[in-house]
Amino acid sequence: KNEVEQSPQNLTAQEGEFITINCSYSVGISALHWLQQHPGGGIVSLFMLSSGKKKHGRLIATINIQEKHSSLHITASHPRDSAVYICAVETSGSRLTFGEGTQLTVNP
Amino acid sequence: GAVVSQHPSRVICKSGTSVKIECRSLDFQATTMFWYRQFPKQSLMLMATSNEGSKATYEQGVEKDKFLINHASLTLSTLTVTSAHPEDSSFYICSASGSREQYFGPGTRLTVT
Repeated sequence: KNEVEQSPQNLTAQEGEFITINCSYSVGISALHWLQQHPGGGIVSLFMLSSGKKKHGRLIATINIQEKHSSLHITASHPRDSAVYICAVETSGSRLTFGEGTQLTVNP
Repeated sequence: GAVVSQHPSRVICKSGTSVKIECRSLDFQATTMFWYRQFPKQSLMLMATSNEGSKATYEQGVEKDKFLINHASLTLSTLTVTSAHPEDSSFYICSASGSREQYFGPGTRLTVT
């Protein structure tokens, strides 16, 4: 069993839909990261969370430390949101362990 | 946000040659840099952690003599793939950390023929 599990693996949505991607982890962490990877490969850090909730534009990330679970929400999704979204947990020494990613496709 | 650059973005080399990839933090001092490898359709895997001025710490299964890491300054780390083979073809990504956040480079796609 992977230390970081994401669901779903693939997600297709229509433009405007509300999207949720889930991440569960099984180890003690100091923080959780949500990352976005576009087809070219470059990675953008979206959020770093250690508790509660963060919002940036149409993106919202939440974390429940007791349940070892985090969600990434996208409101009013747009085709440009199409990318791979990766959950990563930070353990000792700032080491990151990555989930396998969720491929999101938003159709116009 | 902070910017991390990698050079080159793409490289094709012949089997048996060595390739150097640079990772630079452009507007902050990175006390720690991380090197990751990503095979197609797979997630990132940490290869090594490097702290400025000290030897890199390699993850289990990563050959330190094959993947040479030098973190000579607070803004530059290099990864050299020595005697590259086709199975080393991959996407190599670095990240840099100054305080709490990690900032990722755009990646280097290595193809060994």
